[in-house]
Amino acid sequence: EPEVTQTPSHQVTQMGQEVILRCVPISNHLYFYWYRQILGQKVEFLVSFYNNEISEKSEIFDDQFSVERPDGSNFTLKIRSTKLEDSAMYFCASSESGASYNEQFFGPGTRLTVL
Amino acid sequence: DAKTTQPPSMDCAEGRAANLPCNHSTISGNEYVYWYRQIHSQGPQYIIHGLKNNETNEMASLIITEDRKSSTLILPHATLRDTAVYYCIVRVTGKGNTPLVFGKGTRLSVIA
Repeated sequence: EPEVTQTPSHQVTQMGQEVILRCVPISNHLYFYWYRQILGQKVEFLVSFYNNEISEKSEIFDDQFSVERPDGSNFTLKIRSTKLEDSAMYFCASSESGASYNEQFFGPGTRLTVL
Repeated sequence: DAKTTQPPSMDCAEGRAANLPCNHSTISGNEYVYWYRQIHSQGPQYIIHGLKNNETNEMASLIITEDRKSSTLILPHATLRDTAVYYCIVRVTGKGNTPLVFGKGTRLSVIA
């Protein structure tokens, strides 16, 4: 069964450093998402992406964050200058279409630890 | 904020049916009810969704009340691997790219 994959599984970085989290969505999916979950808290939406542009973003997704689909398979989340509070699990998701009857499939996540 | 209310935790004996309730009294006519679960910090896993009719798939059944203000997710024969946090989410139809808004969910513990 096709699945969303994410790399790395765990990223440790120093405060102020740039990190890039990578995702490979399911191949025929057209809509891509990033969510995050701070330890012990709810899963929170960050951004959605379609047709090479951001469709919607939350207030968490400020100028420190950017997303890109650099080729036909990868979808990346970049944090320009990491802060301690960026430590969280970051989940990528994809869906076949944007319609609400199409479920989003999530990857296993990247655990980001900012020291 | 999430538009749903779920009990924070539930226990279920292994092999028995797990019935997880969800209240969504302010649901609109164009909103679907979705269920996801999250096993120990893994990525959320889609279970089932419905609009107004009851739905069943290989994982679970979804019972939606006639007024659509509440629903119940049923795992017919719970196993230890079903121990997870279960999220009930309402999601508007007809709008592309609608994000999922997660609440705190119900932590289901399946006990041997």
